[in-house]
Amino acid sequence: DAGVIQSPRHEVTEMGQEVTLRCKPISGHNSLFWYRQTMMRGLELLIYFNNNVPIDDSGMPEDRFSAKMPNASFSTLKIQPSEPRDSAVYFCASGKDRANSPLHFGNGTRLTVT
Amino acid sequence: AQSVAQPEDQVNVAEGNPLTVKCTYSVSGNPYLFWYVQYPNRGLQFLLKYITGDNLVKGSYGFEAEFNKSQTSFHLKKPSALVSDSALYFCAVREGDYGGSQGNLIFGKGTKLSVKP
Repeated sequence: DAGVIQSPRHEVTEMGQEVTLRCKPISGHNSLFWYRQTMMRGLELLIYFNNNVPIDDSGMPEDRFSAKMPNASFSTLKIQPSEPRDSAVYFCASGKDRANSPLHFGNGTRLTVT
Repeated sequence: AQSVAQPEDQVNVAEGNPLTVKCTYSVSGNPYLFWYVQYPNRGLQFLLKYITGDNLVKGSYGFEAEFNKSQTSFHLKKPSALVSDSALYFCAVREGDYGGSQGNLIFGKGTKLSVKP
């Protein structure tokens, strides 16, 4: 089991550019979560999916952020246009669709917007 | 609303001494409680969980946690700390309905554990 795979590990971009983060969940997991981590705000939930359907996107900061899950093995988080305040580590996590099931995290994408 | 509090930003322990990382929670129903550890430049790793049953749960790397319903606490413990335990520790809670689907997992702000030789 390769675990949750995120790409890229690091992304440096200029303000105004489009950024796409990618995630491959663990096979057999049908819940997928996107979190953002910063020193100031800690871990924040952005959005989560159950069976490829977005369930709660109330954490998405604004319309510049969008997430998709076209199938059970792939999800993207897109920021367009990016801003310096979007700089953070973005984590994808997956789990089985049970409330007592722990989440398994990828190693994150460190995004720097200059 | 669900919430988690980790009252200590940092805990310092000498190697070989016992350690405790504190966590309190608030949910309206039954709590599902989790501890995670994060090493530098890595994602969070699951350590242990409490769902129901025995109040003392054992997890990875010799860690354990004690669920206390009256104090709404779920403190992480280890009898003898190692330098390699130095990391960031997160407590998390989800309101459980014993068979329901995944919902949002609410995380505390994290506690930095530093174990000195």
